[in-house]
Amino acid sequence: GAVVSQHPSWVICKSGTSVKIECRSLDFQATTMFWYRQFPKQSLMLMATSNEGSKATYEQGVEKDKFLINHASLTLSTLTVTSAHPEDSSFYICSAGNNRVSDTQYFGPGTRLTVL
Amino acid sequence: AQKITQTQPGMFVQEKEAVTLDCTYDTSDPSYGLFWYKQPSSGEMIFLIYQGSYDQQNATEGRYSLNFQKARKSANLVISASQLGDSAMYFCAMRGTGTASKLTFGTGTRLQVTL
Repeated sequence: GAVVSQHPSWVICKSGTSVKIECRSLDFQATTMFWYRQFPKQSLMLMATSNEGSKATYEQGVEKDKFLINHASLTLSTLTVTSAHPEDSSFYICSAGNNRVSDTQYFGPGTRLTVL
Repeated sequence: AQKITQTQPGMFVQEKEAVTLDCTYDTSDPSYGLFWYKQPSSGEMIFLIYQGSYDQQNATEGRYSLNFQKARKSANLVISASQLGDSAMYFCAMRGTGTASKLTFGTGTRLQVTL
């Protein structure tokens, strides 16, 4: 149980285009989903927290208009990187949890974004 | 503010031996949770073990155990009988109260299991 999927697992795009990454909880309802960014050989940096049906809460320094987050249902959250630039190239990981059940967050496999 | 410190950037252990990965934390929250995750080279974050701040006993999950010393604010991960497949990055993380379940991560420890 507690499986989280991400799609796509990797994507290459041209500078200036937008990229959408999906995060799905496959076998449980996720009251909260989180989006992280990880640079090579570094730890995870929380970008935003999204609760189903409400606006995402962004961490300080994360551009809301750049990284659009939608949490439309209890099993799906999307991250859209708008007008991507090479500096947006990174590993993006989502996690999902149901704080009515437990404290544990379960992570997706990650999406590697490369912007040319 | 919460802080997680992992002071070992890299560790080596021989196969079948036990290894301890250090984690210390700092928080003013009266109630919190501590987690360990494993990240192999594929990138996925695998949940290993959880310890609640009010849990009386140290958490165990198979070959993983958490040495929780509340007074010292430490939550070390012990892996027994190391296997080659244990080679990965290991992250310690904390969740506090009133933080919308946000996790604060340490910088990680890279474990290499050798023959």
